[in-house]
Amino acid sequence: DGGITQSPKYLFRKEGQNVTLSCEQNLNHDAMYWYRQDPGQGLRLIYYSQIVNDFQKGDIAEGYSVSREKKESFPLTVTSAQKNPTAFYLCASSRRRSEETQYFGPGTRLLVL
Amino acid sequence: GQNIDQPTEMTATEGAIVQINCTYQTSGFNGLFWYQQHAGEAPTFLSYNVLDGLEEKGRFSSFLSRSKGYSYLLLKELQMKDSASYLCAVRTSGGSYIPTFGRGTSLIVHP
Repeated sequence: DGGITQSPKYLFRKEGQNVTLSCEQNLNHDAMYWYRQDPGQGLRLIYYSQIVNDFQKGDIAEGYSVSREKKESFPLTVTSAQKNPTAFYLCASSRRRSEETQYFGPGTRLLVL
Repeated sequence: GQNIDQPTEMTATEGAIVQINCTYQTSGFNGLFWYQQHAGEAPTFLSYNVLDGLEEKGRFSSFLSRSKGYSYLLLKELQMKDSASYLCAVRTSGGSYIPTFGRGTSLIVHP
């Protein structure tokens, strides 16, 4: 089955702690994206990657970091610098940057203790 | 930047028809997407419009008018399972081509 997986489904973070959200896809897509969704808000772009070993900041990159060492994987680290990390995080992929459709993973809900 | 506007919430009756509007202000328009998102789940693709007119796909149709900066999603024969958030997203040709999302419209279908 082709698709995008995210883990864990729920994640708890303590103050001052870095946490990493996993995103894997087996669709052979070149482009991958991370979005943040808050209640009553649209999806806001954190980072995106068009190709392995390359990534670009989105609209709200501060306090986050990413890596793209493999085509299938695009993990997102929420650092202690992100002061308001509680949100629903969605990973997506598309065949190319200008591809029509983005396919989304099931999401990770991050909560701060 | 882009300004995308959708109603926050709508309610409708099972079996009825509902129209969800989306207006946008942008330069270099390069397509408009509609996604459906059930609570706590991933958005799923519904439609993509890049030319003016109506695209029909089963119970769902999407309309675009580029000159008016306007789109709507039309849902016919509403079912309870259509209760969800509907996201409008606009892509522009300048920069990354990555769509910008509106805040979404929460649709509640009641019996």
